[in-house]
Amino acid sequence: EIVLTQSPGTLSLSPGERATLSCRASQSVSSSYLAWYQQKPGQAPRLLIYGASSRATGIPDRFSGSGSGTDFTLTISRLEPEDFAVYYCQQYGSSHWTFGQGTKVEIK
Amino acid sequence: QLQLQESGPGLVKPSETLSLTCTVSGGSISSSSYYWGWIRQPPGKGLEWIGSIYYSGSTYYNPSLKSRVTISVDTSKNQFSLKLSSVTAADTAVYYCARHMWWLPHWGQGTLVTVSS
Repeated sequence: EIVLTQSPGTLSLSPGERATLSCRASQSVSSSYLAWYQQKPGQAPRLLIYGASSRATGIPDRFSGSGSGTDFTLTISRLEPEDFAVYYCQQYGSSHWTFGQGTKVEIK
Repeated sequence: QLQLQESGPGLVKPSETLSLTCTVSGGSISSSSYYWGWIRQPPGKGLEWIGSIYYSGSTYYNPSLKSRVTISVDTSKNQFSLKLSSVTAADTAVYYCARHMWWLPHWGQGTLVTVSS
């Protein structure tokens, strides 16, 4: 089973700053099968990025994904107030889906 | 527009079976090439995939839960269901249903299930 480890656990930043979130896999993941989600309190997760770098419908272009193999990154170029939330990476492999433990982006 | 809605008891006793249903509207559960899955989130914690059923009927379960989980589909009602047996307090969580492929674009709003006597 592939384990996804996200870092940092918490990221304290100010609006307008750049956020860089990491997701490391315990073994190689196909880029096609790596996704990122945003979750706000009391809400279901929302798909941001799929296929490691493709933005989902309606997602602003300040969100971008990159990476391959075992190292993937979600970048928010300029934080807006509504971007402060928890972010999860997720992978698919061998008919199983796994999530990272999440990174909380909080207001500094 | 596709909508998914979880339903079921909000309180389950320890050792009993948790049963939830996801009702799908705005799309057919028989649609090809989709998985219908369950994900849970304990209070204050992260997301855990429980299992999924493919439109063909094949099922896939999280190895850590496999011995206790059953997912099934009722095409006549456009619903799919989750049964989790022998629950303990560790199974207390918000349970989400989802339509998905390799990633999960469509989620229900989630339902909190508490395991307590």
